[in-house]
Amino acid sequence: GDSVVQTEGQVLPSEGDSLIVNCSYETTQYPSLFWYVQYPGEGPQLHLKAMKANDKGRNKGFEAMYRKETTSFHLEKDSVQESDSAVYFCALSPDGSSNTGKLIFGQGTTLQVKP
Amino acid sequence: EAQVTQNPRYLITVTGKKLTVTCSQNMNHEYMSWYRQDPGLGLRQIYYSMNVEVTDKGDVPEGYKVSRKEKRNFPLILESPSPNQTSLYFCASSFRGLSYEQYFGPGTRLTVT
Repeated sequence: GDSVVQTEGQVLPSEGDSLIVNCSYETTQYPSLFWYVQYPGEGPQLHLKAMKANDKGRNKGFEAMYRKETTSFHLEKDSVQESDSAVYFCALSPDGSSNTGKLIFGQGTTLQVKP
Repeated sequence: EAQVTQNPRYLITVTGKKLTVTCSQNMNHEYMSWYRQDPGLGLRQIYYSMNVEVTDKGDVPEGYKVSRKEKRNFPLILESPSPNQTSLYFCASSFRGLSYEQYFGPGTRLTVT
């Protein structure tokens, strides 16, 4: 079946460090891929998206490349700030080209940036 | 103000007592969805609706019902709640499916004893 795996439960970089948060997915279809961010006490919000292979999502200095050959959608940033601290969820919509409504999330990665 | 509202925000109930969590959006969105969030499991989709009178199962629909009689409302019904349905629930909506940004409600924390 369709699935999303985030290998790190928590990452603890210092301010100014570079960041990679891993996301791998599994599906037999042609998915769309998303990163959602959740701040304490709030609902998730869309952070960035890539609708098809080789698309790159960008937002607030974060990037993620949709790589079909490695079934990955890693979240990257060159220099993290304390304000980036939050929980990040990778997500997959299995048949993205049809704009269907099914969405599968990974387990989430807590980013805690040390000042 | 454009928003998704959920009621109640907090609920403690007992096993087997039917309950409804309401969700309403004022953005004329076609797509609505329910998720539950549990520690270590992330978010899991319960049901979604692409438009009025159209609903589909997500990953974890067992024990839940939904209806979409009007565009703005998408209530979540637990006919016989059990302790394993203790969770944080989020409703979300988007203009038309997942190609468009989803807007999430503030969440409903449900405890079933």
